[in-house]
Amino acid sequence: QVQLQQWGAGLLKPSETLSLTCAVHGGSFSGYYWSWIRQPPGKGLEWIGEINHSGSTNYKLSLKSRVTISVDTSKIQFSLKLNSVTAADTAVYYCAREYYYDSSGTRDYAFDIWGQGTMVTVSS
Amino acid sequence: EIVLTQSPGTLSLSPGERATLSCRASQSVSSSYLAWYQQTPGQAPRLLIYGASSRATGIPDRFSGSGSGTDFTLTISRLEPEDFAVYYCQQYGSSLWTFGQGTEVEIK
Repeated sequence: QVQLQQWGAGLLKPSETLSLTCAVHGGSFSGYYWSWIRQPPGKGLEWIGEINHSGSTNYKLSLKSRVTISVDTSKIQFSLKLNSVTAADTAVYYCAREYYYDSSGTRDYAFDIWGQGTMVTVSS
Repeated sequence: EIVLTQSPGTLSLSPGERATLSCRASQSVSSSYLAWYQQTPGQAPRLLIYGASSRATGIPDRFSGSGSGTDFTLTISRLEPEDFAVYYCQQYGSSLWTFGQGTEVEIK
């Protein structure tokens, strides 16, 4: 049973760097993409970016200049860094696995496993 | 970036009633990359539907998904008390994932 455990600093000041890590327990790390998603208080879900075990990344365009997602295959974990944070970055941050389902000759993709979420507050 | 618009924003229904949630994309979406999630307060989202119409492991058959192209639907045939939650659709295109803004299903 794959589980994702995430951790990181929960309180930041404006202009600091947000840093979160997500560890993968009980399953394969390679062969999948791994994503970060955030949710501001009372609002919807926003995808931040993704990485695979080889370190290939894709980022949401509006965040690309501030985001770095990296992977440590030896520790079976991946990390998120978001620099120059402001109050607008206050949110619950989730990590998730992008799973693929083989279906009649095609592959369907979705986020099947999520971390527990980390509340990050940016305040002076 | 493909924009997903969910409607209605809030659906007020009673247990036992049928819920129909809509997700409309700003351009055509591959069904292979269309998913639905349920989120209850304080919890991470839970995958309900992948590939537009396939139920994820452990999801009751009262949940069903349909649609193609730009119009997708999540149907809950008979609402149970635990189904009152927020539902999100999601798609992948041009190396980007996007979510709809969510539909809240509340108890009438």
